Amino acid sequence: GQSLEQPSEVTAVEGAIVQINCTYQTSGFYGLSWYQQHDGGAPTFLSYNALDGLEETGRFSSFLSRSDSYGYLLLQELQMKDSASYFCAVREDNTDKLIFGTGTRLQVFP
Amino acid sequence: DTEVTQTPKHLVMGMTNKKSLKCEQHMGHRAMYWYKQKAKKPPELMFVYSYEKLSINESVPSRFSPECPNSSLLNLHLHALQPEDSALYLCASSQISGADEQFFGPGTRLTVL
Repeated sequence: GQSLEQPSEVTAVEGAIVQINCTYQTSGFYGLSWYQQHDGGAPTFLSYNALDGLEETGRFSSFLSRSDSYGYLLLQELQMKDSASYFCAVREDNTDKLIFGTGTRLQVFP
Repeated sequence: DTEVTQTPKHLVMGMTNKKSLKCEQHMGHRAMYWYKQKAKKPPELMFVYSYEKLSINESVPSRFSPECPNSSLLNLHLHALQPEDSALYLCASSQISGADEQFFGPGTRLTVL
């Protein structure tokens, strides 16, 4: 089966940089996605990495190491509005099912 | 239009009631999904529709009955629910089934009394 582990909570101050890690165990692997979900809101797709390396999209970057079964989401120049839960996700082998990680709650303080 | 809409936003129902959740997207996506999410937990897949046909049922109890009337609409019919079914029900869509980028609706907050 598949499992994705994330830290349960991360705190940081405005303007700082924070890294949210995701380690996964999968029988097959296509790529790693990241989603953001504000309290009471819908999950929103942030990024997808299929190959090793760093993908940058504005203040957010996502990294993948397939050999280490590890990825992370890097958030720079943190803003209060970045306070949310962040989920990594992978597609289950040979299905169309997306499996979400345990989720990391990010709290940004002034 | 890059939005998935869901109605109602909130729903309170008794264990003997029958109700339906509705989801709509106009992005031309051919895959639609129902997820259940409990507080402080990740979304859990319930059903997947691909080209209006049910392709995945994650062993969901029969008191939840999905329906896909057309490529833009997805319903979830609820009957004889239990209090433990109280959760946020999220609808999502993607261009094709299995896509990693899914577009989620705001969800229906369901409370079963």
